[in-house]
Amino acid sequence: KQEVTQIPAALSVPEGENLVLNCSFTDSAIYNLQWFRQDPGKGLTSLLLIQSSQREQTSGRLNASLDKSSGRSTLYIAASQPGDSATYLCAEDTGANSKLTFGKGITLSVRP
Amino acid sequence: DAGVIQSPRHEVTEMGQEVTLRCKPISGHNSLFWYRQTMMRGLELLIYFNNNVPIDDSGMPEDRFSAKMPNASFSTLKIQPSEPRDSAVYFCASSLRFGRSIQETQYFGPGTRLLVL
Repeated sequence: KQEVTQIPAALSVPEGENLVLNCSFTDSAIYNLQWFRQDPGKGLTSLLLIQSSQREQTSGRLNASLDKSSGRSTLYIAASQPGDSATYLCAEDTGANSKLTFGKGITLSVRP
Repeated sequence: DAGVIQSPRHEVTEMGQEVTLRCKPISGHNSLFWYRQTMMRGLELLIYFNNNVPIDDSGMPEDRFSAKMPNASFSTLKIQPSEPRDSAVYFCASSLRFGRSIQETQYFGPGTRLLVL
Protein backbone atom coordinates (compact mmCIF):
# COMPACT_ATOMS: atom_id res chain seq x y z
CA LYS A 1 0.00 0.00 0.00
CA GLN A 2 1.44 3.33 -1.02
CA GLU A 3 2.03 5.93 1.65
CA VAL A 4 2.85 9.61 1.46
CA THR A 5 4.48 11.27 4.46
CA GLN A 6 4.92 14.96 5.18
CA ILE A 7 7.02 16.00 8.16
CA PRO A 8 6.78 18.22 10.13
CA ALA A 9 3.02 18.70 10.41
CA ALA A 10 3.43 22.41 11.07
CA LEU A 11 6.03 25.06 10.40
CA SER A 12 6.32 28.71 11.41
CA VAL A 13 8.82 31.07 9.76
CA PRO A 14 9.41 34.83 9.62
CA GLU A 15 8.47 36.71 6.50
CA GLY A 16 11.15 36.78 3.81
CA GLU A 17 12.67 33.43 4.66
CA ASN A 18 13.27 30.82 1.97
CA LEU A 19 11.86 27.46 3.01
CA VAL A 20 11.59 23.85 1.92
CA LEU A 21 8.64 21.54 2.50
CA ASN A 22 9.36 17.83 2.31
CA CYS A 23 7.29 14.94 0.98
CA SER A 24 8.22 11.23 1.04
CA PHE A 25 6.48 8.46 -0.89
CA THR A 26 6.91 4.69 -0.78
CA ASP A 27 5.89 3.63 -4.30
CA SER A 28 8.76 4.25 -6.72
CA ALA A 29 6.49 3.44 -9.69
CA ILE A 30 5.30 6.99 -9.66
CA TYR A 31 3.41 8.56 -12.55
CA ASN A 32 3.47 12.11 -11.28
CA LEU A 33 3.74 14.03 -8.04
CA GLN A 34 1.47 16.98 -7.31
CA TRP A 35 1.57 19.78 -4.77
CA PHE A 36 -1.62 21.44 -3.57
CA ARG A 37 -2.42 24.38 -1.32
CA GLN A 38 -5.39 24.40 1.05
CA ASP A 39 -6.57 27.55 2.80
CA PRO A 40 -8.67 27.19 5.98
CA GLY A 41 -12.23 26.17 5.18
CA LYS A 42 -11.51 25.91 1.48
CA GLY A 43 -10.83 23.25 -1.11
CA LEU A 44 -7.46 22.33 -2.58
CA THR A 45 -5.76 24.36 -5.28
CA SER A 46 -3.21 22.70 -7.53
CA LEU A 47 0.21 24.39 -7.43
CA LEU A 48 2.59 22.21 -9.39
CA LEU A 49 2.57 18.84 -11.13
CA ILE A 50 5.85 17.01 -11.82
CA GLN A 51 5.77 14.18 -14.32
CA SER A 52 7.85 11.09 -13.56
CA SER A 53 10.24 11.99 -16.39
CA GLN A 54 10.90 15.44 -14.94
CA ARG A 55 13.10 16.51 -12.06
CA GLU A 56 11.49 19.83 -11.23
CA GLN A 57 8.80 22.36 -12.02
CA THR A 58 8.70 26.07 -11.30
CA SER A 59 5.90 28.57 -10.92
CA GLY A 60 6.79 32.05 -9.69
CA ARG A 61 8.35 31.78 -6.24
CA LEU A 62 7.60 28.06 -6.06
CA ASN A 63 9.87 25.26 -7.19
CA ALA A 64 9.07 21.59 -6.79
CA SER A 65 11.59 18.80 -7.28
CA LEU A 66 11.20 15.06 -7.66
CA ASP A 67 13.73 12.34 -6.84
CA LYS A 68 12.18 8.97 -7.62
CA SER A 69 15.17 6.94 -6.49
CA SER A 70 14.98 8.30 -2.96
CA GLY A 71 11.18 8.61 -2.92
CA ARG A 72 11.27 12.30 -2.13
CA SER A 73 9.82 15.55 -3.38
CA THR A 74 10.43 19.04 -2.06
CA LEU A 75 8.52 22.28 -2.47
CA TYR A 76 10.78 25.32 -2.24
CA ILE A 77 9.17 28.67 -1.46
CA ALA A 78 11.36 31.70 -2.03
CA ALA A 79 11.01 34.92 -0.06
CA SER A 80 8.00 33.73 1.92
CA GLN A 81 5.09 36.12 2.55
CA PRO A 82 2.22 36.09 5.07
CA GLY A 83 -0.09 35.27 2.16
CA ASP A 84 1.74 31.96 1.77
CA SER A 85 0.28 30.81 5.09
CA ALA A 86 -1.79 27.71 4.31
CA THR A 87 -1.60 23.93 4.40
CA TYR A 88 0.49 22.36 1.64
CA LEU A 89 -0.28 18.81 0.58
CA CYS A 90 1.62 16.56 -1.76
CA ALA A 91 -0.02 13.70 -3.63
CA GLU A 92 1.38 10.74 -5.50
CA ASP A 93 -0.21 9.40 -8.69
CA THR A 94 0.95 5.88 -9.53
CA GLY A 95 -1.17 5.68 -12.66
CA ALA A 96 -3.82 3.44 -11.12
CA ASN A 97 -6.98 5.05 -12.46
CA SER A 98 -5.76 8.54 -11.64
CA LYS A 99 -5.91 7.69 -7.96
CA LEU A 100 -4.02 10.22 -5.87
CA THR A 101 -2.58 9.26 -2.48
CA PHE A 102 -2.25 12.37 -0.32
CA GLY A 103 0.02 13.24 2.54
CA LYS A 104 -1.60 14.83 5.58
CA GLY A 105 -0.09 18.18 4.75
CA ILE A 106 2.20 20.73 6.33
CA THR A 107 0.54 23.78 7.87
CA LEU A 108 2.74 26.78 7.17
CA SER A 109 2.52 30.03 9.07
CA VAL A 110 4.55 33.00 7.80
CA ARG A 111 4.90 35.66 10.50
CA PRO A 112 4.94 39.34 9.40
CA ASP B 1 -16.21 29.00 -15.34
CA ALA B 2 -17.50 28.89 -11.75
CA GLY B 3 -15.33 25.93 -10.86
CA VAL B 4 -16.56 22.82 -9.09
CA ILE B 5 -19.77 23.54 -7.20
CA GLN B 6 -20.79 21.63 -4.11
CA SER B 7 -23.94 21.83 -2.02
CA PRO B 8 -24.73 22.17 0.75
CA ARG B 9 -21.64 23.85 2.16
CA HIS B 10 -22.58 22.82 5.69
CA GLU B 11 -24.82 20.03 6.92
CA VAL B 12 -25.76 19.15 10.48
CA THR B 13 -27.89 16.08 10.96
CA GLU B 14 -28.78 13.49 13.54
CA MET B 15 -27.52 9.96 13.59
CA GLY B 16 -29.64 7.68 11.46
CA GLN B 17 -30.73 10.34 9.00
CA GLU B 18 -30.03 10.22 5.28
CA VAL B 19 -27.53 12.73 3.95
CA THR B 20 -27.14 13.67 0.28
CA LEU B 21 -24.19 15.70 -0.94
CA ARG B 22 -24.22 17.20 -4.42
CA CYS B 23 -21.54 18.14 -6.91
CA LYS B 24 -21.46 19.91 -10.26
CA PRO B 25 -18.10 19.40 -12.00
CA ILE B 26 -16.41 21.88 -14.30
CA SER B 27 -18.12 21.89 -17.68
CA GLY B 28 -16.28 19.67 -20.15
CA HIS B 29 -14.47 17.62 -17.52
CA ASN B 30 -14.99 13.88 -17.82
CA SER B 31 -13.56 12.63 -14.53
CA LEU B 32 -15.08 13.18 -11.10
CA PHE B 33 -13.73 12.27 -7.69
CA TRP B 34 -15.27 12.20 -4.19
CA TYR B 35 -12.88 12.62 -1.24
CA ARG B 36 -13.29 12.70 2.52
CA GLN B 37 -10.99 14.70 4.79
CA THR B 38 -10.57 14.21 8.53
CA MET B 39 -7.86 15.25 10.96
CA MET B 40 -7.04 11.64 11.77
CA ARG B 41 -6.94 10.13 8.28
CA GLY B 42 -6.25 13.12 6.08
CA LEU B 43 -7.68 13.19 2.55
CA GLU B 44 -9.00 9.88 1.24
CA LEU B 45 -10.45 9.03 -2.16
CA LEU B 46 -13.90 7.49 -1.84
CA ILE B 47 -14.90 6.92 -5.47
CA TYR B 48 -13.85 7.94 -8.96
CA PHE B 49 -16.02 8.28 -12.09
CA ASN B 50 -14.86 8.52 -15.68
CA ASN B 51 -17.41 9.43 -18.35
CA ASN B 52 -20.16 8.98 -15.71
CA VAL B 53 -19.10 5.39 -14.99
CA PRO B 54 -17.74 4.41 -11.55
CA ILE B 55 -14.19 3.17 -12.09
CA ASP B 56 -12.87 2.71 -8.57
CA ASP B 57 -15.06 2.61 -5.46
CA SER B 58 -12.59 0.77 -3.26
CA GLY B 59 -12.45 3.74 -0.92
CA MET B 60 -16.15 3.72 -0.09
CA PRO B 61 -16.14 2.78 3.60
CA GLU B 62 -19.23 0.57 3.70
CA ASP B 63 -22.63 -0.09 2.22
CA ARG B 64 -24.07 2.95 3.92
CA PHE B 65 -22.26 5.05 1.32
CA SER B 66 -23.39 5.24 -2.30
CA ALA B 67 -22.54 7.56 -5.17
CA LYS B 68 -24.18 8.22 -8.52
CA MET B 69 -23.41 10.24 -11.60
CA PRO B 70 -26.53 10.30 -13.76
CA ASN B 71 -25.02 12.73 -16.26
CA ALA B 72 -21.82 14.62 -16.98
CA SER B 73 -22.85 17.65 -14.96
CA PHE B 74 -24.10 16.17 -11.70
CA SER B 75 -23.09 13.69 -9.03
CA THR B 76 -24.39 12.75 -5.59
CA LEU B 77 -22.86 11.07 -2.58
CA LYS B 78 -25.40 9.59 -0.21
CA ILE B 79 -24.97 8.31 3.32
CA GLN B 80 -27.83 6.25 4.72
CA PRO B 81 -28.03 5.89 7.66
CA SER B 82 -25.52 8.46 8.84
CA GLU B 83 -23.33 7.92 11.91
CA PRO B 84 -21.25 10.34 14.04
CA ARG B 85 -18.03 8.85 12.63
CA ASP B 86 -19.08 10.07 9.19
CA SER B 87 -18.47 13.66 10.34
CA ALA B 88 -15.86 15.09 7.99
CA VAL B 89 -15.36 17.48 5.09
CA TYR B 90 -16.37 15.90 1.79
CA PHE B 91 -14.73 17.23 -1.36
CA CYS B 92 -15.65 16.75 -4.97
CA ALA B 93 -13.01 17.24 -7.67
CA SER B 94 -13.06 17.03 -11.44
CA SER B 95 -10.49 16.75 -14.21
CA LEU B 96 -10.18 16.31 -17.95
CA ARG B 97 -8.69 13.03 -19.01
CA PHE B 98 -7.59 12.08 -22.53
CA GLY B 99 -6.60 8.43 -22.40
CA ARG B 100 -3.84 8.42 -19.81
CA SER B 101 -3.05 12.11 -19.82
CA ILE B 102 0.03 13.06 -17.92
CA GLN B 103 -1.16 16.59 -17.23
CA GLU B 104 -4.20 15.65 -15.26
CA THR B 105 -4.74 18.32 -12.67
CA GLN B 106 -7.73 17.84 -10.40
CA TYR B 107 -9.83 20.88 -9.54
CA PHE B 108 -11.46 20.78 -6.13
CA GLY B 109 -14.75 22.21 -4.94
CA PRO B 110 -15.03 24.11 -1.63
CA GLY B 111 -16.26 21.03 0.23
CA THR B 112 -19.26 20.13 2.38
CA ARG B 113 -18.72 20.14 6.14
CA LEU B 114 -20.83 17.34 7.59
CA LEU B 115 -21.56 16.99 11.28
CA VAL B 116 -23.56 13.99 12.43
CA LEU B 117 -24.80 14.32 16.00
